[in-house]
Amino acid sequence: DAGVIQSPRHEVTEMGQEVTLRCKPISGHDYLFWYRQTMMRGLELLIYFNNNVPIDDSGMPEDRFSAKMPNASFSTLKIQPSEPRDSAVYFCASSFGFTGELFFGEGSRLTVL
Amino acid sequence: AQSVTQPDIHITVSEGASLELRCNYSYGATPYLFWYVQSPGQGLQLLLKYFSGDTLVQGIKGFEAEFKRSQSSFNLRKPSVHWSDAAEYFCAVGRGSQGNLIFGKGTKLSVKP
Repeated sequence: DAGVIQSPRHEVTEMGQEVTLRCKPISGHDYLFWYRQTMMRGLELLIYFNNNVPIDDSGMPEDRFSAKMPNASFSTLKIQPSEPRDSAVYFCASSFGFTGELFFGEGSRLTVL
Repeated sequence: AQSVTQPDIHITVSEGASLELRCNYSYGATPYLFWYVQSPGQGLQLLLKYFSGDTLVQGIKGFEAEFKRSQSSFNLRKPSVHWSDAAEYFCAVGRGSQGNLIFGKGTKLSVKP
């Protein structure tokens, strides 16, 4: 299997711009997670989906962040408008059932100037 | 509240030496426990997991971990470290019914030749 695929790998943008991060989970997996990693806060869960339905979005920092999963093979995380404090590595992960064995993508490194 | 503490931010060991990375958790119920490894520029990869049963669990790459309920600990060990083990290691706790993991801040491992 190809693994979890994220795009873009790197994104540099200016404050106020819209950013869209994309994720293709492993085929057959029914859970999808979005995490954010920073030096200060470590790895934080933003939102997760089960069978394309958002289950817990309590980690989404504020209304500027939104996530969708229109089908089992695609999810997006959108930031609008972006701010410098959003600079981080954003990871998508998927799993089959909830076993705790998450398969992570390589991450999208976002820099907001 | 659930939490995971990794007391050591950075550890340096000599190649061939033994390794122990510490992890303490706070969780109201019997937890599921995990260790993940992250190589530079990569996503996280599962090393091993504990759900129940034998408190000493074996993982990939020669790692093992021991669950000690009385100490709320799940320390990771390896008898002989290889240079390729240099990476960041994350302990995580979860519960199947809750569908998400809480990660520690990570321990960065450096290996001296």
